[in-house]
This record gives sequence, structure tokens and C-alpha cells, in this order.
Amino acid sequence: LAKTTQPISMDSYEGQEVNITCSHNNIATNDYITWYQQFPSQGPRFIIQGYKTKVTNEVASLFIPADRKSSTLSLPRVSLSDTAVYYCLVGGMDSSYKLIFGSGTRLLVRP
Amino acid sequence: GAGVSQSPSNKVTEKGKDVELRCDPISGHTALYWYRQSLGQGLEFLIYFQGNSAPDKSGLPSDRFSAERTGGSVSTLTIQRTQQEDSAVYLCASSRGGQDPYGYTFGSGTRLTVV
Repeated sequence: LAKTTQPISMDSYEGQEVNITCSHNNIATNDYITWYQQFPSQGPRFIIQGYKTKVTNEVASLFIPADRKSSTLSLPRVSLSDTAVYYCLVGGMDSSYKLIFGSGTRLLVRP
Repeated sequence: GAGVSQSPSNKVTEKGKDVELRCDPISGHTALYWYRQSLGQGLEFLIYFQGNSAPDKSGLPSDRFSAERTGGSVSTLTIQRTQQEDSAVYLCASSRGGQDPYGYTFGSGTRLTVV
């Protein structure tokens, strides 16, 4: 499974756009990119998943360049409630059952 | 059910005792996973079920850990002769299996404290 690298922590302010970039240089052809959000004392929550280009849902956008060696999770106009740990994962159709979680990015949103 | 349910939410046990942790997955989800999360750390994969079978047990830390799933639904994770290093949050997740476009749905976990 492709290893991912993402910043340990990020700070932002309410109303700002936050972009968290994840590196996955060894991503395989059939690997998807998935992001999860985790609040204290809760299990991770699925945010968004993509394979290439751009994916958008009601929560976030995911930008994936053509070489797919990195991806960027974009959170528009964050609020205090977006303070959480964000995990980037890669996995394929046959290996997605074994999602490997790294240390994630701890996002702190300040008033 | 509407979500993944885990019980108990908190468990304090004495070193050397056995504990059982329960997971009720979302109805119809064929795949079920157990993870462990120590304080301030990422998630550590323990075991994966497809139906009642466990094709991958590679993450179980020792032979004191075992898990089963019955009826393609409820799963139980058992830890025998608990040790202090077993203290962690044990998370269960379920999915439709394969490349589920909605990812895994996690429960809120069982916080296990071994004293």
C-alpha cells in the first residue's frame, strides 16, 4: 500500500479556506485517494474520495494532479467545528479493505 | 441500524482479566474491520472480516487477541489476560466491501483501560 505524507499540524481562522496536501509518490494505478476526519472521542468519518482531477461534495473538494503523486483536500470557509485530525489514505480496489492510517494532520481553527 | 454501534463505550479492567468488545455493523455491510488507536496516535489495523470469514488477521498484536463474527453481522473482539499496553480505543468499522464509494463507517469506539 502506498505510504502517505502530510503535515503534522495546521492552524487557520474561521472563514478561511484550508488546503491540506498529502504526498503519495508510490501510488499505484488502481489506488484511490480517500480522506477521513476524526474528532476527539469519535471514530474517523469519511469525507471524500477520488481517483483523478477534481471531486467536490457538500463538505470539501479534492484536487488530484495528473501524476497523482499528491492530493489536496480543500475545506472552504472553515468554522471552529472543523477542528479535527484529517487523514489521507490511498488504497486500491483489491486492497481497500486494509486502510492504513498515518498520523494525520491536526487542524486547529481559531476564532 | 443507522450506524455502527460499539459496546461498551468504556471498559476498565484489571490486568490479567479477559475482556470482550462488541461491534454491531450497519445492516447489509458485508465487510467489518477492527482498529486500535492509542492516545494521540493514528489507527492500527487489527483484523478484517468478509462475511464471517477473516481473510486477514495480520494486525492482531498477539495470540491473546481473537475475534469472531457470526451471522455476517455482530463481531466480538476478545482480549485474554489483558496487559496495560492493551489500553487504547478499539474502533470498529463496516463497509459494503470492495471499493465502497462511501468509505468505511466507524463506530465511536470502546475505550479500554487496563489497571
